[in-house]
Amino acid sequence: NAGVTQTPKFQVLKTGQSMTLQCAQDMNHEYMSWYRQDPGMGLRLIHYSVGAGITDQGEVPNGYNVSRSTTEDFPLRLLSAAPSQTSVYFCASSLRGDYTDTQYFGPGTRLTVL
Amino acid sequence: AQKITQTQPGMFVQEKEAVTLDCTYDTSDQSYGLFWYKQPSSGEMIFLIYQGSYDEQNATEGRYSLNFQKARKSANLVISASQLGDSAMYFCAMREGDDYKLSFGAGTTVTVRA
Repeated sequence: NAGVTQTPKFQVLKTGQSMTLQCAQDMNHEYMSWYRQDPGMGLRLIHYSVGAGITDQGEVPNGYNVSRSTTEDFPLRLLSAAPSQTSVYFCASSLRGDYTDTQYFGPGTRLTVL
Repeated sequence: AQKITQTQPGMFVQEKEAVTLDCTYDTSDQSYGLFWYKQPSSGEMIFLIYQGSYDEQNATEGRYSLNFQKARKSANLVISASQLGDSAMYFCAMREGDDYKLSFGAGTTVTVRA
């Protein structure tokens, strides 16, 4: 069981470039999500998905796009990168969506936008 | 308003001693879950322990225990017999009712001294 995997580990972009952060899980979890972590802060939710074909916005969705075509994969797209998107991005998954359910995180992607 | 407050930015603890990390939360939901995560310098988010709002007993997981005081809205993490490997950032987080989002505190850095 690999758990939650993310690629790449590190990425440097120029302002205006686009890219996709990959996330996959092999635990057959229905719920997946993307968070960002900025220096000195906890994580903030960008987008999440409650199952294949269903996505919703979190608290900081602007500038990001998601889709979920399979249970396993949940890519995050940066449409036109901005320096404000320099952050560490974490993907997470959980079996259920209720408040008792633990979210398990991937190792993170450190993104720098110049 | 801040949902999760961690008032200790950093703490030092001697190896083999216990340390308590403070966490207070704010919610009007009756149903909520409280989570603690560890983030070592390598960057990953590791789930440690969970406490549900209806749980009458304090949660324990090995050397980790959660001191849950519902009336005071606090959920402090206690790490017993600290080890050098416990040096990390620790985050308190909460999920409320049907909201998928995990709300994080700013974190507490723990440094264990030999």
